[in-house]
Amino acid sequence: KQEVTQIPAALSVPEGENLVLNCSFTDSAIYNLQWFRQDPGKGLTSLLLIQSSQREQTSGRLNASLDKSSGRSTLYIAASQPGDSATYLCATSGGSYIPTFGRGTSLIVHP
Amino acid sequence: EAGVAQSPRYKIIEKRQSVAFWCNPISGHATLYWYQQILGQGPKLLIQFQNNGVVDDSQLPKDRFSAERLKGVDSTLKIQPAKLEDSAVYLCASSLFHTMNTEAFFGQGTRLTVV
Repeated sequence: KQEVTQIPAALSVPEGENLVLNCSFTDSAIYNLQWFRQDPGKGLTSLLLIQSSQREQTSGRLNASLDKSSGRSTLYIAASQPGDSATYLCATSGGSYIPTFGRGTSLIVHP
Repeated sequence: EAGVAQSPRYKIIEKRQSVAFWCNPISGHATLYWYQQILGQGPKLLIQFQNNGVVDDSQLPKDRFSAERLKGVDSTLKIQPAKLEDSAVYLCASSLFHTMNTEAFFGQGTRLTVV
């Protein structure tokens, strides 16, 4: 059974800081790993999808890396802004188990 | 491109009542997922469809939950009878294919409160 852990559970930073959110998973036989953003009372918005054969993906100020062998992914947010405040979730998909989410990292960026 | 549509957005019911949620996935997406998200937790998969067939329903409480996907497009999730612990956000998602390197897109969710 796949288990996904996200650290830290919560983070509060001043505007402008560069951030690192961590996601670890126990079964490295994944097809892909996806990072999502969830605003309060809303659904999930896909941020980045990393295929199992890829090492990283970038979109604007976001960069996600994947190290399958160590069971880790990192979401890097550059020059954080108050609008980045949300919960960030990672999820893995694989052939032998169902799509599995972590509990998320709740981020607050204050002006 | 229209996103995943869900209704209703909010529902309040008493315990032991029944409730149904509706989902319309992105056009052309073969795979549809229903997730349950309890406050403070990540989404938990309840059921996954590939077209109108069930891929996985191992975490669906089948004594009270049921789901169907009509003609491989729209889907409904039903709870009967509801319990207090069913209070959660129910999220529907869709993707082009089953598992293989395709992005999942989520609806806004239905927030269920059981009192």
